[in-house]
Amino acid sequence: GAVVSQHPSRVICKSGTSVKIECRSLDFQATTMFWYRQFPKQSLMLMATSNEGSKATYEQGVEKDKFLINHASLTLSTLTVTSAHPEDSSFYICSARGSGAGNTIYFGEGSWLTVV
Amino acid sequence: QQQVKQSPQSLIVQKGGISIINCAYENTAFDYFPWYQQFPGKGPALLIAIRPDVSEKKEGRFTISFNKSAKQFSLHIMDSQPGDSATYFCAASDPGNTGKLIFGQGTTLQVKP
Repeated sequence: GAVVSQHPSRVICKSGTSVKIECRSLDFQATTMFWYRQFPKQSLMLMATSNEGSKATYEQGVEKDKFLINHASLTLSTLTVTSAHPEDSSFYICSARGSGAGNTIYFGEGSWLTVV
Repeated sequence: QQQVKQSPQSLIVQKGGISIINCAYENTAFDYFPWYQQFPGKGPALLIAIRPDVSEKKEGRFTISFNKSAKQFSLHIMDSQPGDSATYFCAASDPGNTGKLIFGQGTTLQVKP
């Protein structure tokens, strides 16, 4: 199946700093990518939808100035958590949908963010 | 309208048994219903998916049963194995065809040897 890669898989950052997480589709062109957040033992919560070359669409309650999303190419989307705080510590997961893949969505392996 | 309700929250099954997880949705415009398997610390992996024009889909030990009139669908894992122990999420595709997935709450499955 299609492969979606996330990097880094784990990151620790200091409170107040920014951290960037990359999401790449390795063997298909992803016209749309999605960013989710998952707390332990909970379901995935959609944060935003990004389409290549356009601004991301954020879900209600998600601060777009805090969670910057860029989808500069058909294979790469990035999520930057700005001015991170301990409450931003979470598992961040991206998914990607290809232009010819119908509704099939493939997920990355996730990135653990710990803010200390 | 946009919710997907999943049950049970947790499930314990003996090895070789059948695991059944149920989901219900409200929005009849949903047109794609995938199931994902997630191991601790990993991203969800697509297991099997179905569209509303089909009542059942089987792939190996995994079967989705779909009841359009009841707005319910379920995952059946036949001959459950300890390696199937994971969290399972059902989902439904956003009817606007944006590709957004609305997830159920998840079911933690434990298969005892």
